[in-house]
Amino acid sequence: NAGVTQTPKFQVLKTGQSMTLQCAQDMNHEYMSWYRQDPGMGLRLIHYSVGAGITDQGEVPNGYNVSRSTTEDFPLRLLSAAPSQTSVYFCASRRDIEYEQYFGPGTRLTVT
Amino acid sequence: KNEVEQSPQNLTAQEGEFITINCSYSVGISALHWLQQHPGGGIVSLFMLSSGKKKHGRLIATINIQEKHSSLHITASHPRDSAVYICAVGGAQKLVFGQGTRLTINP
Repeated sequence: NAGVTQTPKFQVLKTGQSMTLQCAQDMNHEYMSWYRQDPGMGLRLIHYSVGAGITDQGEVPNGYNVSRSTTEDFPLRLLSAAPSQTSVYFCASRRDIEYEQYFGPGTRLTVT
Repeated sequence: KNEVEQSPQNLTAQEGEFITINCSYSVGISALHWLQQHPGGGIVSLFMLSSGKKKHGRLIATINIQEKHSSLHITASHPRDSAVYICAVGGAQKLVFGQGTRLTINP
């Protein structure tokens, strides 16, 4: 199993550009989440999904969209990048709320 | 006040010392997670527990549900244990994370 994969590993965007961060898992997990990690802030939940076709907002959803058309994939879209979205983004998945969470390797995004 | 508080924020110790990292939370939970993040960024799940104590090698995690407190202990610490340790508590569908404890073990 590849586990949770994320692409790209690094990305630089200009303010106003849009892009999609890809996340995929091959463990047939129902639960998937996107987090951002900023210095001194800890991990904060952006959006999450409890199964294909079901998504919900987390703590910091503004400026991001998600969709879950398949169990495997959970892309995160930045609609119009802003410098405040400079961060490290982690995707994670787990089988159910009673199971451990598996994290992807992260995407380091810089918005100039 | 954060829902999940970790202490200390930073900890430096000598190789071989016994390490304790604490986590207090203020919300109802179904489980508590301890995670490890090495320099370079990867996050790994160490423990998930909802009661009592778990042990894996030199790592021990305990939780007291009544006091809403958990501890992560490292016995015979080693420089390779240097990392950020993160506590997270799980509710119905989401995890809430502490800010992490940066541990440095000097040889």
